[in-house]
Amino acid sequence: AQKITQTQPGMFVQEKEAVTLDCTYDTSDPSYGLFWYKQPSSGEMIFLIYQGSYDQQNATEGRYSLNFQKARKSANLVISASQLGDSAMYFCAMREYDQTGANNLFFGTGTRLTVIP
Amino acid sequence: DVKVTQSSRYLVKRTGEKVFLECVQDMDHENMFWYRQDPGLGLRLIYFSYDVKMKEKGDIPEGYSVSREKKERFSLILESASTNQTSMYLCASSLPRYTDTQYFGPGTRLTVL
Repeated sequence: AQKITQTQPGMFVQEKEAVTLDCTYDTSDPSYGLFWYKQPSSGEMIFLIYQGSYDQQNATEGRYSLNFQKARKSANLVISASQLGDSAMYFCAMREYDQTGANNLFFGTGTRLTVIP
Repeated sequence: DVKVTQSSRYLVKRTGEKVFLECVQDMDHENMFWYRQDPGLGLRLIYFSYDVKMKEKGDIPEGYSVSREKKERFSLILESASTNQTSMYLCASSLPRYTDTQYFGPGTRLTVL
């Protein structure tokens, strides 16, 4: 089964509007971390925001917030006041606890966001 | 600032050649990773290493090998490059906790002719 599912291959948003990018995850481990990355056309992966499985509050970083619904196993990224520079691929990822430290990230297939002027 | 560097941004090789992709990080991270990225498939893990000289296979290790002789350097080796290995290759490093993010290099776009 897919660990991370992103069902929106592409999204469009008007400049200055808010947009939500969907992400659902699958794990039986009670300890895990959820991450969102941005990948502009240059190719580099840029870390945006993190949410831990034990965090009581939704994470926020500037214009980015994470809508964490643990029971539904969803971790949607909300971008407020979209800017042209937000046009990029966005990846949701999860990292599970491993006592050896030999853990890695599971990635979704990504959502391509296009901001329209 | 964490810095992860990769030896080349673009690389063109011929079928059958041996290819080395180098990755260096400057933050003393225990964990290092190699991914390949193809359109519609997201990032797929090839190999990772959680300590010097240690390596673990990821989801798609076939056709690849790795080397980690020093903590800061993680090399990906294509023993005999094939056209289906044409892809974007991304290296990353991190601390070992599940709460730690991975930091990525700029990527190497490899074309095998």
